[in-house]
Amino acid sequence: DAGVIQSPRHEVTEMGQEVTLRCKPISGHNSLFWYRQTMMRGLELLIYFNNNVPIDDSGMPEDRFSAKMPNASFSTLKIQPSEPRDSAVYFCASSNRGVNTEAFFGQGTRLTVV
Amino acid sequence: GQQLNQSPQSMFIQEGEDVSMNCTSSSIFNTWLWYKQDPGEGPVLLIALYKAGELTSNGRLTAQFGTTRKDSFLNISASIPSDVGIYFCAGQLRNFGAGKSTFGDGTTLTVKP
Repeated sequence: DAGVIQSPRHEVTEMGQEVTLRCKPISGHNSLFWYRQTMMRGLELLIYFNNNVPIDDSGMPEDRFSAKMPNASFSTLKIQPSEPRDSAVYFCASSNRGVNTEAFFGQGTRLTVV
Repeated sequence: GQQLNQSPQSMFIQEGEDVSMNCTSSSIFNTWLWYKQDPGEGPVLLIALYKAGELTSNGRLTAQFGTTRKDSFLNISASIPSDVGIYFCAGQLRNFGAGKSTFGDGTTLTVKP
């Protein structure tokens, strides 16, 4: 298995622009997580899905952030409009609920908003 | 919500030395996980602990789930240069769903050859 695949690996955008981050979880995994990592706040859980349904989005910072999971093999995290303070590394992770509790992480998307 | 205090924040050691780091929580967790993150990569699971008092090894790594369920430690024996990276502890409450973890702030390990 190729693992969790995220795209793009790097994104530089101007303030006010829309940004879409993409994630392909490991095939067969039924839980998907979006995390954000910054020096100041560490790793923060933004939202997670079970069987494509959002379960807990309490970590989503503002209405500018939205996440979707239209099917079991794809998820997006969108920021509209983006701001410089959104600059961070965004990780997607997936796990197989009911089998074990380990989450497998993608390589992340480094977002820079200028 | 839950908060994890991970210490030390950073360590500079000589190759061959042993390393110890720990995590404490203000509340109970059902599962403790230890991850390692290399530069430019996502965290990778090293050890998972599921029962209070459990002691688990993975090669040169040993981790324990504290009996109070509010702490865990990770030991690395005979460190080597490739041990360099950021080590994170993470706690889970199973009823909140598999993989939903609260992460510590990380311990940055530097190993001098």
